[in-house]
Amino acid sequence: DVKVTQSSRYLVKRTGEKVFLECVQDMDHENMFWYRQDPGLGLRLIYFSYDVKMKEKGDIPEGYSVSREKKERFSLILESASTNQTSMYLCASSGDYWTSGGIIRQFFGPGTRLTVL
Amino acid sequence: DAKTTQPTSMDCAEGRAANLPCNHSTISGNEYVYWYRQIHSQGPQYIIHGLKNNETNEMASLIITEDRKSSTLILPHATLRDTAVYYCIVRVGHSSASKIIFGSGTRLSIRP
Repeated sequence: DVKVTQSSRYLVKRTGEKVFLECVQDMDHENMFWYRQDPGLGLRLIYFSYDVKMKEKGDIPEGYSVSREKKERFSLILESASTNQTSMYLCASSGDYWTSGGIIRQFFGPGTRLTVL
Repeated sequence: DAKTTQPTSMDCAEGRAANLPCNHSTISGNEYVYWYRQIHSQGPQYIIHGLKNNETNEMASLIITEDRKSSTLILPHATLRDTAVYYCIVRVGHSSASKIIFGSGTRLSIRP
């Protein structure tokens, strides 16, 4: 089974701190994603990456950056954390169209609940 | 990607079949129906997907109407562990962006 792991389940940071959220997948997937989930707003895509060193903005990239130096690892960076970035952060990965038989499905990590004070 | 409409919440007795409906009246010919669920404090989990034929796997069955404007996810023998939010998503299977747009989903409660 695909395993997607995230570095922390719970994290508490202070306003202005630089925060790194790490995600690792073990299935050699090309695509990786970062979402945040907030009550009443569902899951919203922050950034995604379809290859090493490649990244694309999702729907709410402001205040975030990402890094993908290795295929299995996708990092989300909050350059200067703010209280409105308190949220559940979910990482996901998926294989590309051709290797997954033409069907794209995503595998999610357990999530990191970040609180910014 | 097409918009989906699901009931906000449902409940079902343990051991009975749970039938979760989804409307996707604007679905186009190359869009697949996917179902995911999210158990409290966990990441979403893929359940099943289909294009136009009914599908079954070890977790559930997916019934898609002939006009493809609606579908039903069936959990044949619901257990307490099936309590979760269930998301119906319609999207192009080979979308290069591979994005998934989650709606509000259906909160399914299984009662003992």
